[in-house]
Amino acid sequence: QKEVEQNSGPLSVPEGAIASLNCTYSDRGSQSFFWYRQYSGKSPELIMFIYSNGDKEDGRFTAQLNKASQYVSLLIRDSQPSDSATYLCAAASMYSSASKIIFGSGTRLSIRP
Amino acid sequence: ETGVTQTPRHLVMGMTNKKSLKCEQHLGHNAMYWYKQSAKKPLELMFVYNFKEQTENNSVPSRFSPECPNSSHLFLHLHTLQPEDSALYLCASSQDIGQMNTEAFFGQGTRLTVV
Repeated sequence: QKEVEQNSGPLSVPEGAIASLNCTYSDRGSQSFFWYRQYSGKSPELIMFIYSNGDKEDGRFTAQLNKASQYVSLLIRDSQPSDSATYLCAAASMYSSASKIIFGSGTRLSIRP
Repeated sequence: ETGVTQTPRHLVMGMTNKKSLKCEQHLGHNAMYWYKQSAKKPLELMFVYNFKEQTENNSVPSRFSPECPNSSHLFLHLHTLQPEDSALYLCASSQDIGQMNTEAFFGQGTRLTVV
């Protein structure tokens, strides 16, 4: 069983619409969750992190966390062509002897003009 | 520029060669990671170091040998690699695995090709 699962996509969204990206995780010990954006040929860059249940908003981005359902999502409002990229969900475990950040396989997002 | 620097950016090596990848972070972080990203595959965690001590070895073959002399530097020594080891190798660092907002900052990666 994959520890962090994402739909690989591609997810195609018209410009100006809301893009919704989803992620589930299997390790209940995970306490922090991250969304990274990765453009082709580039390294991942952090968009948002969340560790409390509920919503967290930053500009056009909203991260949502539901620990009971082990579910994380990212909403991108007013999608722009520059948002086209692969979005990686990651979960961090805090155990001192096995601390690690595990990534999902990523969802490829395409914003069509 | 994320404060994590990897060298070289590109490396071509034969299966009998020995080479090393270098990572340096200028962020004062205590945790460092090696990830492997193959084409059309997810990021695979290879090794984790926390305060210079290895805390995770994700069943990586012994032809990959990490070294962490201090919290700012991380190496990945390579020897007798196989063509399937060709991938983008990413180094990352984070403040402290024990903290809640311990996001990882990535270097630009080393594109490795084994011939």
